[in-house]
Amino acid sequence: DVKVTQSSRYLVKRTGEKVFLECVQDMDHENMFWYRQDPGLGLRLIYFSYDVKMKEKGDIPEGYSVSREKKERFSLILESASTNQTSMYLCASSLGGQGAIVPTDTQYFGPGTRLTVL
Amino acid sequence: GQQVMQIPQYQHVQEGEDFTTYCNSSTTLSNIQWYKQRPGGHPVFLIQLVKSGEVKKQKRLTFQFGEAKKNSSLHITATQTTDVGTYFCAALYNFNKFYFGSGTKLNVKP
Repeated sequence: DVKVTQSSRYLVKRTGEKVFLECVQDMDHENMFWYRQDPGLGLRLIYFSYDVKMKEKGDIPEGYSVSREKKERFSLILESASTNQTSMYLCASSLGGQGAIVPTDTQYFGPGTRLTVL
Repeated sequence: GQQVMQIPQYQHVQEGEDFTTYCNSSTTLSNIQWYKQRPGGHPVFLIQLVKSGEVKKQKRLTFQFGEAKKNSSLHITATQTTDVGTYFCAALYNFNKFYFGSGTKLNVKP
C-alpha cells in the first residue's frame, strides 16, 4: 500500500511566521502535489513536482514555495504566513515517470495538515 | 481557465434513497477521475473513466462518462450510512492540466 505522511495533523502559527509543511511518500513515486482544501472550493493545486528539484506552479502558487531535494519528500513553505492561508493542506503523490505528469495516474493523498494562522 | 463544475454542493438523503452527483465541463476532457473523502479523512481514489460513453460499476456505485466527454456522473443506488462523505471529480484537460470539482457533500439519514 502506498503511504503518504504529513508532518503534522494540526498546526497553529502566527501571522508573519515562516511555516514548513513536510510530506513523505514511500512508494518511489515521481509526482508529488500540494493542495489546499477550503469549504465550497474543493481542492486547489498549489504546486506540483514531477521529478527531484523540478517544480511547477499550480493554480494558486502565490504566497507559497516548494522544495523537492529528495524523491520521497516534498515540502511546502509559507515564507510569511497570513490569515488567509488558514486552510487544510493536502499532499498527494502519483506514480508518474518520463519527466512529466502522467495524467492517468491515481493520486494517493496524505492525511492532511490543518493550519491555522492567527 | 478551464474548470469543471460539480453539482449539487450538498445532498441530504434518507437511507435507501438514490444519489447522483454531476461534473460538467464546457470543453472536452481527456479523462475524469472520482474520489471520495470521508468526514475527517483524505480523498481516496474510486475510479477513472477514459472512453466516450464509458460506464463502470462498483457494487452500488455507477460511473458514467458522457458521449462528448464533457460531463460525468456518479450514481449511488440505495444509499447507506457508510456512503456519507464528499465526492470529488478530477478532470484532465489536454492530457496536461487537471482540476478538481468543488465536491458534493452527501449526508445520509438513517
